[in-house]
Amino acid sequence: DGGITQSPKYLFRKEGQNVTLSCEQNLNHDAMYWYRQDPGQGLRLIYYSQIVNDFQKGDIAEGYSVSREKKESFPLTVTSAQKNPTAFYLCASSIGPGGNYGYTFGSGTRLTVV
Amino acid sequence: QKEVEQNSGPLSVPEGAIASLNCTYSDRGSQSFFWYRQYSGKSPELIMFIYSNGDKEDGRFTAQLNKASQYVSLLIRDSQPSDSATYLCAVSNGYALNFGKGTSLLVTP
Repeated sequence: DGGITQSPKYLFRKEGQNVTLSCEQNLNHDAMYWYRQDPGQGLRLIYYSQIVNDFQKGDIAEGYSVSREKKESFPLTVTSAQKNPTAFYLCASSIGPGGNYGYTFGSGTRLTVV
Repeated sequence: QKEVEQNSGPLSVPEGAIASLNCTYSDRGSQSFFWYRQYSGKSPELIMFIYSNGDKEDGRFTAQLNKASQYVSLLIRDSQPSDSATYLCAVSNGYALNFGKGTSLLVTP
């Protein structure tokens, strides 16, 4: 079955530690996206990639980094520079650029700072 | 900053009634509009999309778009308790989807 797989489902980070969230899709979608969701808030765009080996900063990219070395994979690293990383992180993909055809979402990773 | 605005709710409707959810957006050039449903602790799932002015119906759901007024709405007929969720309005800004904060819907038996 085609879809997007995010792992892990739950992640705990210590202060000053970098952590990487995995996102893999087998939908053959060109575009991939990372969003962050805080309680009672909408989704805020962290990074997006329209094509392999290219990615762009979204609205809240500070303290995060990404790579897009393969079409199927778009991992997100939450660095120690991100001061408030506790949130629900969502990865999405779309068949074309700009989200004009809508997204397919992964099941999310819930990150907590301990 | 291009905005997508929704009333946070909660919107409470009795079972069997029509639920009406509204969304306004600021980018007049937007072309694609989506409604996602999100259950607590889960990821959003697409329930409707609309590209042209007017109404689009799919089962119990109707999406309405008025580009002149920059307004999108979602009607849910014969509301069921299983429709209780947060509904996110999303608008394409040319490079990604811009989401509203969502409207919480509660359908009471």
